[in-house]
Amino acid sequence: AQSVAQPEDQVNVAEGNPLTVKCTYSVSGNPYLFWYVQYPNRGLQFLLKYITGDNLVKGSYGFEAEFNKSQTSFHLKKPSALVSDSALYFCAVRGIRSGNTPLVFGKGTRLSVIA
Amino acid sequence: DTGVSQNPRHKITKRGQNVTFRCDPISEHNRLYWYRQTLGQGPEFLTYFQNEAQLEKSRLLSDRFSAERPKGSFSTLEIQRTEQGDSAMYLCASSQEILGGSFFGPGTRLTVL
Repeated sequence: AQSVAQPEDQVNVAEGNPLTVKCTYSVSGNPYLFWYVQYPNRGLQFLLKYITGDNLVKGSYGFEAEFNKSQTSFHLKKPSALVSDSALYFCAVRGIRSGNTPLVFGKGTRLSVIA
Repeated sequence: DTGVSQNPRHKITKRGQNVTFRCDPISEHNRLYWYRQTLGQGPEFLTYFQNEAQLEKSRLLSDRFSAERPKGSFSTLEIQRTEQGDSAMYLCASSQEILGGSFFGPGTRLTVL
């Protein structure tokens, strides 16, 4: 079965500092990996995805994520955090071998960027 | 607005009543998904359509839940005899290809009193 773990419920970072939101996954076969962000009273917004190729994936709003197969991780990063990045972040996985199966999400990590 | 839309945005109902939600996906997307999200949790998969065919249903989808996508465009999710445990945000998403990211609607927040 596919699963995603986001070990931190909350991450606090000062504005201008680098941020990391952690994600590890478990899947049969090669994974498709995704990050989404959710602002209050808004739907989930797609940030970036890893399918194949370069392990460092760049996405929207200056975010990037690094795929590490040996550690089964896909951590979200940003070099310099903004107060407006404060939101709920979800990591999700879909197994390639699984065909059309939908995304499996982690529980989410709340990011607070402090001015 | 060419994104995924959902109606209504909020629904308050009494236990035992039936409710129906609608999702209008992005027009060229042939895949449509329903998820449920409760407080403090990530979205949980309920069911999936490719065009008008319902291809997969989660074990979370009890017999009281039914979903349709009659013409391969909009979809409806009906909950019969609602229970307080059905209170959640119901999210709809669509995608064009299996490798692509899914695009989510704003959700319908259901409160069962």
